[in-house]
Amino acid sequence: EVQLLESGGGLVQPGGSLRLSCAASGFTFSSYAMSWVRQAPGKGLDWVSAISAAGSTTYHAVSVRGRFTTSRDNSKNTLYLQMNSLRSEDTAVYFCAKAGEYSVYDKLDYWGQGTLVTVSS
Amino acid sequence: EIVLTQSPGTLSLSPGERATLSCRASQSVSSSSLAWYQQKPGQAPSLLIFGASSRATGIPDRFSGSGSGTDFTLTISRLEPEDFAVYYCQQYGSSPQTFGQGTNVEIK
Repeated sequence: EVQLLESGGGLVQPGGSLRLSCAASGFTFSSYAMSWVRQAPGKGLDWVSAISAAGSTTYHAVSVRGRFTTSRDNSKNTLYLQMNSLRSEDTAVYFCAKAGEYSVYDKLDYWGQGTLVTVSS
Repeated sequence: EIVLTQSPGTLSLSPGERATLSCRASQSVSSSSLAWYQQKPGQAPSLLIFGASSRATGIPDRFSGSGSGTDFTLTISRLEPEDFAVYYCQQYGSSPQTFGQGTNVEIK
């Protein structure tokens, strides 16, 4: 059974940093691209980033480019999102999601339950 | 960036009725790389349809997707009580990937 478990969320001050993790199990992690998607309270889904299966290629939304970095450790079956220079508008539940194949250009067939990031003073 | 516009914003229907949800793209979606997701309150989204018209594993056949280019449709033939939720379309054929703003299917 595919499982994705996010962690690392919490309360952080504006300008601060946070690193999210997503522990994957139940599939061959190194064979699939992964993504981060966020959802602000009461709002819709907002794609944040994607990373290829090998970790060699990453894409980020314009709103987070230069502040967020996506990486993965295939030996630990774990996806990461390093978030720097956080702003109040980054407040959201952050979901990790598995792509259907090695390429980032694929549907997201499994999702974690999400971790809440709150940026506030 | 491809902007996806979903309509209507809210759909008020009764169980047993047919639901038709629209997703319109600002430019052509490559290779019909369009997906539909369902999200219930307090839960993560779940994949319903990919490639515009292929049902994901375990999705009942009352859910169907159609369309190509810039116009896509999700149809629920007969609404079951568990189908009342928010539905999002997503294009994944080009970066940045984008989502529509969602359609809330509520009980009338």
